Amino acid sequence: QVQLQESGPGLVKPSETLSLTCTVSGGSISSSSYYWGWIRQPPGKGLEWIGDIYYIGSTYYNPSLKSRVTISADTSQNQFSLRLSSVTAADTAVYYCARRSYHPHYFDYWGQGTLVTVSS
Amino acid sequence: NFMLTQPHSVSESPGKTVTISCTRSSGSIANNYVQWYQQRPGSSPTTVIYENNQRPSGVPDRFSGSIDSSSNSASLTISGLKTEDEADYYCQSFDSSSQVFGGGTKLTVL
Repeated sequence: QVQLQESGPGLVKPSETLSLTCTVSGGSISSSSYYWGWIRQPPGKGLEWIGDIYYIGSTYYNPSLKSRVTISADTSQNQFSLRLSSVTAADTAVYYCARRSYHPHYFDYWGQGTLVTVSS
Repeated sequence: NFMLTQPHSVSESPGKTVTISCTRSSGSIANNYVQWYQQRPGSSPTTVIYENNQRPSGVPDRFSGSIDSSSNSASLTISGLKTEDEADYYCQSFDSSSQVFGGGTKLTVL
């Protein structure tokens, strides 16, 4: 059974960089069959895709966040990470990491989510 | 980029059938698969429909999905409503480089 677990600070100051890590167990992020991504959900609002990374290192980002987002992977640790720079209160959200299957196409495993609050 | 538009909320009685729509703003709905996710309060989303009309194992056949090219939209239909179906439902699709979620629909079973 694949499991994903987000970790990182729950509080980030405005203008600083948000950093989260997703640790994957029960499956390898080096598999060619999957993308590994981040999705966020502001309190009381809907889901927003942030971006994905593929096993060969290709990255795909939401155009609205692209200038501030970096997703990277550490295959030795079976982890992938999110960095979001220059955060504001609008970046306060529950951040989920998720596996996206290439075929069939869908987000099939999600982490439990972690709340990140941007506040001074 | 494109948007997926869903009704903010729908409500129906137990045992009835409800349909939630998801309209794509640009590009053909038929060109890229549509997925549907259920999210209960305090929980992560789970898939109820993938690739327009496929159910993951464990999802009851009360859940069905379809697309309509004439209206450029997708639909999630839940029949024989149960109180446990009360949740937020999100459609999701993609284009060549991006994944997009609809704004979500709150289903109330009353």
